[in-house]
Amino acid sequence: GAVVSQHPSWVICKSGTSVKIECRSLDFQATTMFWYRQFPKQSLMLMATSNEGSKATYEQGVEKDKFLINHASLTLSTLTVTSAHPEDSSFYICSARVGGAQETQYFGPGTRLLVL
Amino acid sequence: GQNIDQPTEMTATEGAIVQINCTYQTSGFNGLFWYQQHAGEAPTFLSYNVLDGLEEKGRFSSFLSRSKGYSYLLLKELQMKDSASYLCAVMDSNYQLIWGAGTKLIIKP
Repeated sequence: GAVVSQHPSWVICKSGTSVKIECRSLDFQATTMFWYRQFPKQSLMLMATSNEGSKATYEQGVEKDKFLINHASLTLSTLTVTSAHPEDSSFYICSARVGGAQETQYFGPGTRLLVL
Repeated sequence: GQNIDQPTEMTATEGAIVQINCTYQTSGFNGLFWYQQHAGEAPTFLSYNVLDGLEEKGRFSSFLSRSKGYSYLLLKELQMKDSASYLCAVMDSNYQLIWGAGTKLIIKP
């Protein structure tokens, strides 16, 4: 099956610093990658959709200058949380999709961010 | 608005069968997905239904009725490792996934 990895798994940082999270599709080329955020006991919330080589599409209420997304290749997307604050502490999950919009998304293992 | 409803929590006994229901109201329909999510982990894909009927995959089956806006996930021969949250998600006319809040399934010995 399709494998998606994320790095790092865990990150603890001080308030005001920036954190970069990588999402890689290991055995397939992902035409589209998605970034989600999940707060405790809540459902997944889509933050943004990115296609390789083009700018990400952000969901309403998600600050694009704070959550920088770079989709440099068909196997790598990065999410940078700039000037992180404690309220940004969350579980960040990426997913990748092969082919068209009707295809299944495969999820990475997630990155748990704690901002002190 | 768009809405996905599923029970918040269910409890079942090891070895038994449990059915998790999902009803939806979305702008368009391009398929329904079920995902399993263990605590602290990312979701893993279980099933995809786009046509009416039952799809069976081992101990798990998923059913869809588009006219009723209804799906269920059926888990047979429950094992302790099946304790997890089960997320229902519908792909709308814009091919966006609309997520339910998830059903926490507790398996008791």
